[in-house]
Amino acid sequence: DVKVTQSSRYLVKRTGEKVFLECVQDMDHENMFWYRQDPGLGLRLIYFSYDVKMKEKGDIPEGYSVSREKKERFSLILESASTNQTSMYLCASSSNTKVGEKLFFGSGTQLSVL
Amino acid sequence: GQSLEQPSEVTAVEGAIVQINCTYQTSGFYGLSWYQQHDGGAPTFLSYNALDGLEETGRFSSFLSRSDSYGYLLLQELQMKDSASYFCAVRAAGRDDKIIFGKGTRLHILP
Repeated sequence: DVKVTQSSRYLVKRTGEKVFLECVQDMDHENMFWYRQDPGLGLRLIYFSYDVKMKEKGDIPEGYSVSREKKERFSLILESASTNQTSMYLCASSSNTKVGEKLFFGSGTQLSVL
Repeated sequence: GQSLEQPSEVTAVEGAIVQINCTYQTSGFYGLSWYQQHDGGAPTFLSYNALDGLEETGRFSSFLSRSDSYGYLLLQELQMKDSASYFCAVRAAGRDDKIIFGKGTRLHILP
């Protein structure tokens, strides 16, 4: 069964801390994505990657960076956490086809920055 | 820029039919997808339309009109378990090839 695993379901951090959110998929998917979800704003794309060591900025990359050293793992990094980064973070992956794109999502990480 | 518009909330009665609309604006276009998300859960894929017309999957159908930059999700024989948020999403053709989601439509079902 297809699986996207996010390392933590809930996370509480302090302002200024460096935060790592990990995502691992077991489907050998080329494409991986990080979204954040806030009430009334839907899912907003932070960063995505279509290959190992490749990354592209999404719509709201400010304050974030990513790392994709291995195909199955895509990490989101908050260099210096701020309270406005309190949110639900969703990782997703998909296979490398431009037809019938189907994203598989992880369960999400609810991050609270105090 | 790219944007998707969908109603924030829709209310329907159990057993009825409901349609959730989505209009999009993109510089290029591959197709329109729909996702369902229950409270506390992750979004799950429902359907994808690359060509004009209706795609049916059980009680759910999805429609696309590329010329109108418009699509909809049709849910028939509504059940209480269909209470959820529904998101349309596009993969816009272009240098970035981003997958962008609408803000979601909260579907309330009344008994």
